[in-house]
Amino acid sequence: DFVMTQSPDSLAVSLGERVTINCKSSQTVLYSSNNKNYLAWYQQKPGQPPKLLLYWASTRESGVPDRFSGSGSGTDFTLTISSLQAEDVAVYYCQQYYATPQTFGQGTKLEIK
Amino acid sequence: QLQLQESGPGLVKPSETLSLTCSVSGVSITSVSHYWGWIRQPPGKGLEWIGSIFYYGDTSYNPSLQSRVTISVDTAKNQFSLKVRSVVAADTAVYYCARHVWSGTYIYYSDHWGQGSQVTVSS
Repeated sequence: DFVMTQSPDSLAVSLGERVTINCKSSQTVLYSSNNKNYLAWYQQKPGQPPKLLLYWASTRESGVPDRFSGSGSGTDFTLTISSLQAEDVAVYYCQQYYATPQTFGQGTKLEIK
Repeated sequence: QLQLQESGPGLVKPSETLSLTCSVSGVSITSVSHYWGWIRQPPGKGLEWIGSIFYYGDTSYNPSLQSRVTISVDTAKNQFSLKVRSVVAADTAVYYCARHVWSGTYIYYSDHWGQGSQVTVSS
């Protein structure tokens, strides 16, 4: 199975500050024939299901604020929140869908400092 | 709009079978662009993909669970279901149903999720 490792496990950031969450895959998730990274990011707030934020590593899902962005390729990826808002408190997960079984990172818990 | 709703018993005894149903509203489960799947989350832990099904019955399972899992679809009721046999305490989790985008070849990310159903395995 592809192992997805996120860092850090948790972080506390002040409102308005920039947030960076990393995700590393044990194998490349870049499909060479279409040059797409088969990686998604989800946000899970307490008591709620995960919500899709980004797919193809950097494409925002409809309705997701543009302060959320994704970057990276191959095995190393980053989720960035440009200016932290109170409603962004959540656990964030990366997921690879390059291979079966799909696998998720362990999650990164984001809190307000 | 699209809604998914899980239903089923919240408590299952060890060695018995866990059964859940996901009712889909707002879209037809016979979409040619989507698979329908199950993902679970043990208490305080991360997410694990269980398996997925296409409307005509083609399935894909996580090899770690494949020997105990069956996913089926009922297009007339616009529902799909999950059965996990011979459950143990480690199967205690919130079980989510979800819609996966499908390319025609690959099952992609999950763009819609149900609210989740807590299932506890205990005698």
